[in-house]
Amino acid sequence: NAGVTQTPKFQVLKTGQSMTLQCAQDMNHEYMSWYRQDPGMGLRLIHYSVGAGITDQGEVPNGYNVSRSTTEDFPLRLLSAAPSQTSVYFCASSYSRGSYGYTFGSGTRLTVV
Amino acid sequence: AQSVTQLGSHVSVSEGALVLLRCNYSSSVPPYLFWYVQYPNQGLQLLLKYTSAATLVKGINGFEAEFKKSETSFHLTKPSAHMSDAAEYFCAVIGTGANSKLTFGKGITLSVRP
Repeated sequence: NAGVTQTPKFQVLKTGQSMTLQCAQDMNHEYMSWYRQDPGMGLRLIHYSVGAGITDQGEVPNGYNVSRSTTEDFPLRLLSAAPSQTSVYFCASSYSRGSYGYTFGSGTRLTVV
Repeated sequence: AQSVTQLGSHVSVSEGALVLLRCNYSSSVPPYLFWYVQYPNQGLQLLLKYTSAATLVKGINGFEAEFKKSETSFHLTKPSAHMSDAAEYFCAVIGTGANSKLTFGKGITLSVRP
């Protein structure tokens, strides 16, 4: 049982480049979310999804795009990377609205130079 | 919108001492509350959750938290700290509305002195 799998674990991008962070879960969870973690800021919600074909913005959505074509996958796209997007990104999933608790991936550490 | 406040960014205790990490929530209706732990260079692990059942919630690794509606608090405690408890701890909330999302506090780093 793999849980939530994020790839890659580390990535260095140049300013202006685009890339996709991958997230997959094998628990048949409806709810999936992307967070970014920055020192002293906790985790901030970027985008979330309540099921295949349904996505919505979180607290800090600018510069990021998502889609949800299947229950299992929820990729996060950086359209034109900026140094302010240097962060650790976590994907999480949950059964129902999350009252059972979210399961987190191990994170992607992204550096934009 | 639901939110949680974690007072202080760093707590240091001696091994064997009581651990108390504070969390206050803002909500007019009791929400769902969580404590997560993050060990260095790892993802987040669920410690315990409150979902309107018992107000005293027991979690993993000897941690527990008490939901106090009158104080809008959900403080995390452990009677005796162990060196392996050194980590960052996050309080989080989900409101009861249909569009509520999991919202985190800023986190508290726990250090344990030998």
